[in-house]
Amino acid sequence: GENVEQHPSTLSVQEGDSAVIKCTYSDSASNYFPWYKQELGKGPQLIIDIRSNVGEKKDQRIAVTLNKTAKHFSLHITETQPEDSAVYFCAARSGGGKLIFGQGTELSVKP
Amino acid sequence: DAGVIQSPRHEVTEMGQEVTLRCKPISGHNSLFWYRQTMMRGLELLIYFNNNVPIDDSGMPEDRFSAKMPNASFSTLKIQPSEPRDSAVYFCASSSQDYSNEQFFGPGTRLTVL
Repeated sequence: GENVEQHPSTLSVQEGDSAVIKCTYSDSASNYFPWYKQELGKGPQLIIDIRSNVGEKKDQRIAVTLNKTAKHFSLHITETQPEDSAVYFCAARSGGGKLIFGQGTELSVKP
Repeated sequence: DAGVIQSPRHEVTEMGQEVTLRCKPISGHNSLFWYRQTMMRGLELLIYFNNNVPIDDSGMPEDRFSAKMPNASFSTLKIQPSEPRDSAVYFCASSSQDYSNEQFFGPGTRLTVL
């Protein structure tokens, strides 16, 4: 089945810097890659997603890139702010339809 | 809309007791998912319903776990008997189609089994 690896597990940046989180997946049939943000005590919330027919997608300070050949995708956050501090999860939807989540990245943005 | 509603938010019980977690999906959504989140295993899908019918329960750990969806606005996840290793945060999520569309997560139920 699908396996998703996410790195790094923790990331600390200064306010205003960029943050990059990377994920790899194993199932070449996967076609949907969402990113979720989870704040303390809350459920994950979708922040951006990308489908396999697109290489890059951007929404204000957040962008996601997908390399289907290498089977990896990345989340880029520019001009980070303290409120970006949270745990971020990547996920891949396998051929069977399940969302398989990465282990999460705890992002800390220091003012 | 109030979003996905889960109850209780916190549950502390003793080993061997029955635990029932409840979920109300977003009105109009026809797919419902139960997840378990732990530090060791991350977010795992336990079971998925579409139009109130269980479609994929391959993630249910063992027979002690059961889930029902008697109607479009209510689902339960039951653990009987509970064990300390069941301690986790359990999330319910819903979406307007099967796996295709965004899944909206509830706030979760933090379960502690002593």
